[in-house]
Amino acid sequence: QVQLVESGGGVVQPGRSLRLSCAASGFTFSSYSIHWVRQAPGKGLEWVAVISYDGSSKYYADSVKGRFTISRDNSKNTLYLQMNSLRAEDAAVYYCARDGVQWLANYYFDYWGQGTLVTVSS
Amino acid sequence: QSALTQPASVSGSPGQSITISCTGTSSDVGGYNYVSWYQQHPGKAPKLMIYDVSNRPSGVSNRFSGSKSGNTASLTISGLQAEDEADYYCSSYTSTSTLVFGGGAKLTVL
Repeated sequence: QVQLVESGGGVVQPGRSLRLSCAASGFTFSSYSIHWVRQAPGKGLEWVAVISYDGSSKYYADSVKGRFTISRDNSKNTLYLQMNSLRAEDAAVYYCARDGVQWLANYYFDYWGQGTLVTVSS
Repeated sequence: QSALTQPASVSGSPGQSITISCTGTSSDVGGYNYVSWYQQHPGKAPKLMIYDVSNRPSGVSNRFSGSKSGNTASLTISGLQAEDEADYYCSSYTSTSTLVFGGGAKLTVL
């Protein structure tokens, strides 16, 4: 069965960096675009970034552009999110989510991980 | 990119139907048939309920339906059940190849 498992969350000081990982299994990882979506405590969902199936295309929300980098290693079935210059407003549960369409990116998410919590605090 | 506009809360009695609206612009909801809806119970990951405006994934009850008119999309839940009580989020692809969510609507089953 399809599984997405995030890791790498934790407590980090403002201005520091953190790298999240998302390990995928149960499907052909290299055929799907994958997204990061976050949810601040008690708040709504916010889309963060997407990477195409082969890593050639990447798009970011304005709120993280220039600070966050999405990447993937298809040989390891793993997605990453490098987060630099972290701010208090980046504190959230970060989910990785599979795009619902192979090869293309239709920007809907048929499978989600359980999320990993990032806390930004001094 | 501004968030799509959803009512903060909606409510209905068991067996009734409710509709949640999701209003955007011609650069997102109105410009593409890439509107999706997600259900989220407390402490859980979101679950896809509707994609591409009106398509239901396998396993989702046919009590859930989606539609769109102009810049506004809608999710209708018929025959309300207690387990439908949750937060509901709409989302849309945008003209800048990004995605925007609605602020979320809390559904209360009375």
